[in-house]
Amino acid sequence: DAGVIQSPRHEVTEMGQEVTLRCKPISGHNSLFWYRQTMMRGLELLIYFNNNVPIDDSGMPEDRFSAKMPNASFSTLKIQPSEPRDSAVYFCASSLDRGVNQPQHFGDGTRLSIL
Amino acid sequence: GENVGLHLPTLSVQEGDNSIINCAYSNSASDYFIWYKQESGKGPQFIIDIRSNMDKRQGQRVTVLLNKTVKHLSLQIAATQPGDSAVYFCAEIANFKAAGNKLTFGGGTRVLVKP
Repeated sequence: DAGVIQSPRHEVTEMGQEVTLRCKPISGHNSLFWYRQTMMRGLELLIYFNNNVPIDDSGMPEDRFSAKMPNASFSTLKIQPSEPRDSAVYFCASSLDRGVNQPQHFGDGTRLSIL
Repeated sequence: GENVGLHLPTLSVQEGDNSIINCAYSNSASDYFIWYKQESGKGPQFIIDIRSNMDKRQGQRVTVLLNKTVKHLSLQIAATQPGDSAVYFCAEIANFKAAGNKLTFGGGTRVLVKP
């Protein structure tokens, strides 16, 4: 079975540019999560969706970040305009539903570098 | 993945020995705990989970112990192999009723297996 698929794997762009990260969750999973991982702050939850609806976006750093989930098989995380401090690895994860016993399964991430 | 390379505690283990990785948590109301393994360039991979109403759970070569009295979680890996070299994260759901399936990750421990 395919796991969580993220694209691109690597992105290098100049500050001020718009960046769009993409995620395809595991088929049948109803919850989707976006994380950011940095050396200084470790793994941080940015936002999560359940049944395509954003449930908690308290981790989104600021208005430059936005996330959408137009359908059950696709989500985007957008940064506009991007800044060097946004450089990090961004992970998407999905789980079967919101239940406590449902582990999250992660993609291999997008390594983002903002110059 | 973007591991906290310079600041991660590191456990060096001889191949074939058992490994014990420890994690302290702060919220006595946490419902659910997960151990993840993260190899370089990959996303966190689910290893094993445990609910707060249990104190021990075993998987293949791994055992998770939960001591709620002192708010301590450990992961034991039996007969450690070179493929076990990675960063290991504990994660908890601090308040499922209020926050749903929202994981909070620890800082991670790097395990280095010596041949």
